[in-house]
Amino acid sequence: AQSVSQHNHHVILSEAASLELGCNYSYGGTVNLFWYVQYPGQHLQLLLKYFSGDPLVKGIKGFEAEFIKSKFSFNLRKPSVQWSDTAEYFCAVRGNAGNMLTFGGGTRLMVKP
Amino acid sequence: SAVISQKPSRDICQRGTSLTIQCQVDSQVTMMFWYRQQPGQSLTLIATANQGSEATYESGFVIDKFPISRPNLTFSTLTVSNMSPEDSSIYLCSVQKRAGGRGYNEQFFGPGTRLTVL
Repeated sequence: AQSVSQHNHHVILSEAASLELGCNYSYGGTVNLFWYVQYPGQHLQLLLKYFSGDPLVKGIKGFEAEFIKSKFSFNLRKPSVQWSDTAEYFCAVRGNAGNMLTFGGGTRLMVKP
Repeated sequence: SAVISQKPSRDICQRGTSLTIQCQVDSQVTMMFWYRQQPGQSLTLIATANQGSEATYESGFVIDKFPISRPNLTFSTLTVSNMSPEDSSIYLCSVQKRAGGRGYNEQFFGPGTRLTVL
């Protein structure tokens, strides 16, 4: 069975600070990896995804994530956060041959203006 | 992409009653799913809604409690039966669609239905 672990449950940053949210997964085969964002009062949106190829993927709003296969990690990064990045961030994994998306516990990010 | 709508967007229900949530997609999709997001928690898959056959339920979820219909490739319903306060949650419809030239599947989510059971 696949599982996803997000180690940071709550993160508080000041504007312009750099962000890195950890995501580790457990799965024995090839995976597809995702980061979703949920802004306050809004529904889940896809931030970025990794299927294959370049392990450094770029998403919307200046976010990027790096797939490190040897570490089973897919950490999310942003060099300089803004107040509007305040949201909950979910890492998710899906086995390449399957359909089921498994979510991590989420990280609640608050950016102070 | 896929545009997904859900009805109702929110409801407050009495213990012991049932609520049916509707999910409509703007295009035909093979895979539709129902998730639950309990307060302060992550998303948990309830079941995969299969067109023309019974839904496939995840561990901990049963058909009697969460009956699902999937009459066609653009529509599904989830019923939360005999509700208790523990069922208070956001229920989300989700679909998979092919994206990009390589044929990878992306997953899209509806806006959710916020259910409060008194």
